[in-house]
Amino acid sequence: QVQLVQSGAEVRKPGSSVKVSCKASGGTFSSFPINWVRQAPGQGLEWMGGIIPIFGTGNYAQKFQGRVTITTDESTNTVYMELSSLRSEDTAIYYCARSSGTYAHFDYWGQGTLVTVSS
Amino acid sequence: DIVMTQSPDSLAVSLGERATINCKSSQSVLYSSNNKNYLAWYQQKPGQPPKLLIYWASTRESGVPDRFSGSGSGTDFTLTISNLQAEDVAVYYCQQYYNTPPYSFGQGTKLEIK
Repeated sequence: QVQLVQSGAEVRKPGSSVKVSCKASGGTFSSFPINWVRQAPGQGLEWMGGIIPIFGTGNYAQKFQGRVTITTDESTNTVYMELSSLRSEDTAIYYCARSSGTYAHFDYWGQGTLVTVSS
Repeated sequence: DIVMTQSPDSLAVSLGERATINCKSSQSVLYSSNNKNYLAWYQQKPGQPPKLLIYWASTRESGVPDRFSGSGSGTDFTLTISNLQAEDVAVYYCQQYYNTPPYSFGQGTKLEIK
């Protein structure tokens, strides 16, 4: 059974960066895309970007281009999402989610990581 | 980018009745070479991550009760929940994963018990 376990809640000041991790277990890690989806308080789901670990190159939504970087560490089956130049509107729960393949639905989700941006 | 629009934004249905949620995409998500609709439905309960219910527009995920069904093709899709149960109270999202990202979601539909 695939499990995605994310790092804990973070509090950051505006203008700073945050790096959230997503550790996968129980299944083949390298060949399945891992995506990042965020959800602002009381709002819907927003896809930020994704990566296929075996290829190592992130694919990002235009809205986040230049501010988000998704990387992988295959030795620990972990995917990281770093968001920079934080502003209050980035306060949200950040989820990692595995795609069952390229251009496919998200079949496994992490538990979510709350990132709060506040001065 | 493909825009996904759900209707209604919220609905209240009596226990045991049927709930119907619609999702419309701004362009077709039907891939002609394999005749698959690149459309999924998710359920999200408070304090939980989304849960996959339906993929390829009409294929039920393993373990999902058969009262959940998906239909539609091209640009118009429907999630139907038959015999509504109390545990079905949640927000439901459609998502397209057609071709190039971003893999956009609908705005969500909040389902409550009447």
